[in-house]
Amino acid sequence: ETGVTQSPTHLIKTRGQQVTLRCSSQSGHNTVSWYQQALGQGPQFIFQYYREEENGRGNFPPRFSGLQFPNYSSELNVNALELDDSALYLCASSLDRDRIYTFGSGTRLTVV
Amino acid sequence: GQQLNQSPQSMFIQEGEDVSMNCTSSSIFNTWLWYKQDPGEGPVLLIALYKAGELTSNGRLTAQFGITRKDSFLNISASIPSDVGIYFCAGHTEFSGNTPLVFGKGTRLSVIA
Repeated sequence: ETGVTQSPTHLIKTRGQQVTLRCSSQSGHNTVSWYQQALGQGPQFIFQYYREEENGRGNFPPRFSGLQFPNYSSELNVNALELDDSALYLCASSLDRDRIYTFGSGTRLTVV
Repeated sequence: GQQLNQSPQSMFIQEGEDVSMNCTSSSIFNTWLWYKQDPGEGPVLLIALYKAGELTSNGRLTAQFGITRKDSFLNISASIPSDVGIYFCAGHTEFSGNTPLVFGKGTRLSVIA
């Protein structure tokens, strides 16, 4: 079975720009959660998607939005990028909102 | 939101030594998970704990779910160089995955050969 894959692995954006990060969930998983991990910190929950619907959101502003597709892959969109958005963005998948998450390797976003 | 307090923040140990780290919370958690993260990678699950008092091993790793449901510890015996990395505790406050997985800030482990 394939694991969780994220793309791109790295990217650099300018403040004010918009970015889209992509995630393919592990085969058979229908739930995707997105996390932001700042340097030296633990991952912080952004939101979760279950069967294409948002199923919970953390303390992030509305310029962080997401989408889940019928094949359960997912996108994270961030508008009006700020310097503090620089972080590792992690996607995790699970089955039916199970408690065990499988994480991808992340996308390292740098905002300059 | 919920906070997990993880300690120590970092530790330097000699190869072959045993390691202990722990995680506490002011809230009750109903699932405790321990993950390891290597540089440039996502967290990888080491051990999952589902019941208060549960003690589970995975090779040289042993973790326990505290009786109060507000704490957990992870022990690594006979450390080796590949144990280097950041260890995170994480947990759910509910029995299902309907609440998000909450993470501690991590314990950075360095092993001196």
